[in-house]
Amino acid sequence: GQQLNQSPQSMFIQEGEDVSMNCTSSSIFNTWLWYKQEPGEGPVLLIALYKAGELTSNGRLTAQFGITRKDSFLNISASIPSDVGIYFCAGPGNSGNTPLVFGKGTRLSVIA
Amino acid sequence: DAGVIQSPRHEVTEMGQEVTLRCKPISGHNSLFWYRQTMMRGLELLIYFNNNVPIDDSGMPEDRFSAKMPNASFSTLKIQPSEPRDSAVYFCATTGNSATNEKLFFGSGTQLSVL
Repeated sequence: GQQLNQSPQSMFIQEGEDVSMNCTSSSIFNTWLWYKQEPGEGPVLLIALYKAGELTSNGRLTAQFGITRKDSFLNISASIPSDVGIYFCAGPGNSGNTPLVFGKGTRLSVIA
Repeated sequence: DAGVIQSPRHEVTEMGQEVTLRCKPISGHNSLFWYRQTMMRGLELLIYFNNNVPIDDSGMPEDRFSAKMPNASFSTLKIQPSEPRDSAVYFCATTGNSATNEKLFFGSGTQLSVL
C-alpha cells in the first residue's frame, strides 16, 4: 500500500530557530496535508495543498507541494514553545474516496 | 459544537477483560474513522464507516476487535478479550465530506493500558 516517509523522526531546537521537515512517497499524491498533534490531544489539520508546486502559509508555517507530487515540505519560522508536538503529513489513499494515509510523524521539541 | 467526543480518556484494565471505547461524532458528519496510535507504528486506520455502514475493516488487527455504529451519533470499538499488546491510544475521527475525507476532526483519544 501507499506509504509516507517523514524525516527527521525527531528534532530538538532552540526557541527562535527555524524548522524544516519533509515527507516523501514512492507514489504520486494529488493532495498533501499537514497535521499537528499536541501532547494529550488528537491531530489537527494545519495546511492542505492541492496543486504541484503550491506554496501555502498559515502564520509562521509554510508548506510546499513538491513538483514531482511525491513529496512535501513544512517549515516553521521563529519557533516558540507551543510549536511542540508531532507533525504528520497525510494524503488520500489510492482511490478517490478512501481514508487518509498518515506518515509516522516528526516529533518536535523546542528548548526555551 | 463540542467536537468529536471520546470516552473514557484513560482506561486501565487487566488482560482478558472486555474493553469498550466510545465516540460521539460531530453532528452532521457522515464518515467516522477509528485509528490506533503507537510509537512503533504511528497512526493505523482500524475501520471506517460512511453513513453508519462499515466500509473497510481490513485494518482491524484480529477478531478480538469489533466496531459498531448503531446510529449517526454514536460508535463503539470493542476489544474482547484484551491483551497487553493492545495498549495504545485509540482515536476516533470524523468528517462531513466523505468524498475527500481530507479534513478529519479527531477526538482527544482514549489511552488504553492493558496489564
